Amino acid sequence: AQKVTQAQTEISVVEKEDVTLDCVYETRDTTYYLFWYKQPPSGELVFLIRRNSFDEQNEISGRYSWNFQKSTSSFNFTITASQVVDSAVYFCALRSPNFGNEKLTFGTGTRLTIIP
Amino acid sequence: GAVVSQHPSWVICKSGTSVKIECRSLDFQATTMFWYRQFPKQSLMLMATSNEGSKATYEQGVEKDKFLINHASLTLSTLTVTSAHPEDSSFYICSVRGGTVAYEQYFGPGTRLTVT
Repeated sequence: AQKVTQAQTEISVVEKEDVTLDCVYETRDTTYYLFWYKQPPSGELVFLIRRNSFDEQNEISGRYSWNFQKSTSSFNFTITASQVVDSAVYFCALRSPNFGNEKLTFGTGTRLTIIP
Repeated sequence: GAVVSQHPSWVICKSGTSVKIECRSLDFQATTMFWYRQFPKQSLMLMATSNEGSKATYEQGVEKDKFLINHASLTLSTLTVTSAHPEDSSFYICSVRGGTVAYEQYFGPGTRLTVT
């Protein structure tokens, strides 16, 4: 069975601070995909990143960066110089790469509040 | 990626009535769509996988007679909540499976259902 744990339920930081959202996963698959989604108050899920399990390179996209550590089954997300617009719920998710078995397993989410 | 719409974006209905939610893939022929449910401040849970031209596959614990799914065309899947009760009040989100190697899921904006 697959499982995604986001231990941080809520985080509040002052604007311009850096913040890291933790994600730990469990799977028996040897290959898999990991995702991060942002859900602003409007409710629509915004795709942020997909990471294949055999690609352990960290990735940076503007103020966002992701740290994938297969050895510890973690896929953490860091926002540098946070902005008020970053306030949202962030979900980490896990999925098998196999066609016909694309069920996404979501973590419980981390509610991030950026204080101006 | 695929553009996905949902209609209505929000709906209020009385207990005992049925409500139909539409999920449309606007620019992509979707053989597979997914229906998720999200209770307030909780994670997304997959309800069912909707396959065009065949019966939907429901997740364990989801009542197929209560949540009727019809995927009659490559661009439209519908979720009907029959005999709705207040406990069915939730945020319903659909997604479309894309055609890339990663079989990406593209999410709709969601439908907020309130049953009074």
